[in-house]
Amino acid sequence: EADIYQTPRYLVIGTGKKITLECSQTMGHDKMYWYQQDPGMELHLIHYSYGVNSTEKGDLSSESTVSRIRTEHFPLTLESARPSHTSQYLCASSEWKGNAEAFFGQGTRLTVV
Amino acid sequence: AQSVTQLGSHVSVSEGALVLLRCNYSSSVPPYLFWYVQYPNQGLQLLLKYTSAATLVKGINGFEAEFKKSETSFHLTKPSAHMSDAAEYLCAVSDSSGGSYIPTFGRGTSLIVHP
Repeated sequence: EADIYQTPRYLVIGTGKKITLECSQTMGHDKMYWYQQDPGMELHLIHYSYGVNSTEKGDLSSESTVSRIRTEHFPLTLESARPSHTSQYLCASSEWKGNAEAFFGQGTRLTVV
Repeated sequence: AQSVTQLGSHVSVSEGALVLLRCNYSSSVPPYLFWYVQYPNQGLQLLLKYTSAATLVKGINGFEAEFKKSETSFHLTKPSAHMSDAAEYLCAVSDSSGGSYIPTFGRGTSLIVHP
């Protein structure tokens, strides 16, 4: 069973609020990822990290930011939420080797009203 | 750059029928390929992966996939569908181009199983 956790599972928040989506893994994985998932669309990579103090932007432009101060923790922050940020956000982690599969959290479904 | 195409956003089969979900990839270097399953309001779970060993890969729940380099395909099959197989299935590719093996996903195929 994958040991990667996301909180909260569901979040409804007003426009302009600052939010942080939490993601933690207990597997000691170096690589971590944030994907955005909308119905009928592919998972879009928005951020990834190779390890502590490493963060990179993904293919999909996002107004969110991430940090990686500890190996196990990879939070995503939106400074000012907007309705266009409404989506499902999936966090994942993997070992460093290329053939390693990604382990996913259960996701956070964000609704901005 | 790597990419994945999954033909058919929805596939409908009868219980007991063959399941075939298509995945084609684009990669300039030898890829690793993955199939994941996603149940409603859940994260993704690995079904199987191709890692350049055997081209026919067996996974969980009776699923298997065959890597065909000449066709750049990695189609997922199951001989006999079960009601519990109804879910979203996502194909992913990972290679060394553009970075160190960051997975790229297709749009997914929703499998519908009729009694």
